[in-house]
Amino acid sequence: QKEVEQNSGPLSVPEGAIASLNCTYSDRGSQSFFWYRQYSGKSPELIMFIYSNGDKEDGRFTAQLNKASQYVSLLIRDSQPSDSATYLCAVNGRTGNQFYFGTGTSLTVIP
Amino acid sequence: DTGVSQNPRHKITKRGQNVTFRCDPISEHNRLYWYRQTLGQGPEFLTYFQNEAQLEKSRLLSDRFSAERPKGSFSTLEIQRTEQGDSAMYLCASSSPGVTQWGEQYFGPGTRLTVT
Repeated sequence: QKEVEQNSGPLSVPEGAIASLNCTYSDRGSQSFFWYRQYSGKSPELIMFIYSNGDKEDGRFTAQLNKASQYVSLLIRDSQPSDSATYLCAVNGRTGNQFYFGTGTSLTVIP
Repeated sequence: DTGVSQNPRHKITKRGQNVTFRCDPISEHNRLYWYRQTLGQGPEFLTYFQNEAQLEKSRLLSDRFSAERPKGSFSTLEIQRTEQGDSAMYLCASSSPGVTQWGEQYFGPGTRLTVT
């Protein structure tokens, strides 16, 4: 079982719609959860982090964490073509020092 | 604060040669991470430094890989006797404690290694 699982997509949404990205993790001891955006040929860019159960909002982005279900999600409201990228979910391991990334979900926002 | 920098940005080497990459973290960050990323995959953890101490190393990491952070500032990653399977993007990230003791990691632009 992989430490972090993501649906690889591709996910396509029309401009202005809500994009929903999902991630599950295997280690119940994980405490830190991150969403990164990665454009083709570029390095990952941190867009959200969440440490507590519930929702965290930052502009058009909302991260949701459910530790009981070992589930993290990212909602992107009012999706823009510039949001087209691969979204990576990352989770820290049991020691806290090692971080695990999913394979990423490819998102395309259609104008 | 200019962010995390990595050099070189691209490296082409022949199989069997040694290569060394450098990472300069964000100046106030005491935590530094190395990752490897291949096409279609997420970054794979390689090793972690807190200041100058290497505190964690992936069990999957070959003995041909070694990393240092001698003064707790920049770090180097060396690959000895490179193999074609080492071709990848090598990413460095840094963080400092924040809400959690690990903080949030910020990545450098990466070094793309091609082994021919």
